[in-house]
Amino acid sequence: EPEVTQTPSHQVTQMGQEVILRCVPISNHLYFYWYRQILGQKVEFLVSFYNNEISEKSEIFDDQFSVERPDGSNFTLKIRSTKLEDSAMYFCASTLSGGGQETQYFGPGTRLLVL
Amino acid sequence: AQTVTQSQPEMSVQEAETVTLSCTYDTSENNYYLFWYKQPPSRQMILVIRQEAYKQQNATENRFSVNFQKAAKSFSLKISDSQLGDTAMYFCAFTSGGTSYGKLTFGQGTILTVHP
Repeated sequence: EPEVTQTPSHQVTQMGQEVILRCVPISNHLYFYWYRQILGQKVEFLVSFYNNEISEKSEIFDDQFSVERPDGSNFTLKIRSTKLEDSAMYFCASTLSGGGQETQYFGPGTRLLVL
Repeated sequence: AQTVTQSQPEMSVQEAETVTLSCTYDTSENNYYLFWYKQPPSRQMILVIRQEAYKQQNATENRFSVNFQKAAKSFSLKISDSQLGDTAMYFCAFTSGGTSYGKLTFGQGTILTVHP
C-alpha cells in the first residue's frame, strides 16, 4: 500500500541553524501539507501546497518557514533560523484532492529538537 | 474560524468493553468532513474513520462507529470490543468542503488507555 515517507525521523539542531525536513508524498497525490505537534499538544496546520504554490498557510508559518517541491517526488519544509519553540514533531500529509473529499494520509513524522 | 473541542483529556476502558470519545465542533458551513485519527505511541497519525456532513447515516468501520449529530455539532467515536492495541491518543478533526484546500483543524486529543 502506498505511504507517505519522511526523513529524517529525528533531527537535533542548534538554535539559529537552518533545517530541511523532507517528505515523499504518495505518488499520484496533488495536495500536500505540513502540520506541527508540540509535545503534549494538538496537531496544528502549517501550510498547504497545490500546483507548485502555497494555497493556504497559518499564522505559525511566518517568514522563517518555506516549502518547496524541488522535483516530482519530494516536498520539503525549510526552517531558516530555528528557535527553541520550533521543537516539535512535524508531519507531512498528502491527498488526491482538496476540500475533504479524499482522506489525508500522514507520514510518520520528523521529531525536531532545537537546542 | 472553525474550532474542534475534545472535552475528555483522558479515558480508560477494560479490554473487550465499549468506550465513547466525545467531540464537538463549531462551523457556519453546511458542507464539511469530520475525521477521527489515532496516534499510538509511535506518533504516526492513522485515520480511523471519516464522516461526510451531507450523509445522515453514521459511518462505521469494523469496531469503530460514530454518532454524528449535525444540529448539535457533535461527532463522537464509539469503540466496541476494545483491544489493547487501541491504546493511543485520538484526535477529532474537521475540514471544510467548500473552497478549502483541505486544511485539517484538530481537537486537543483524548488519551485512551485500554486495560487488560
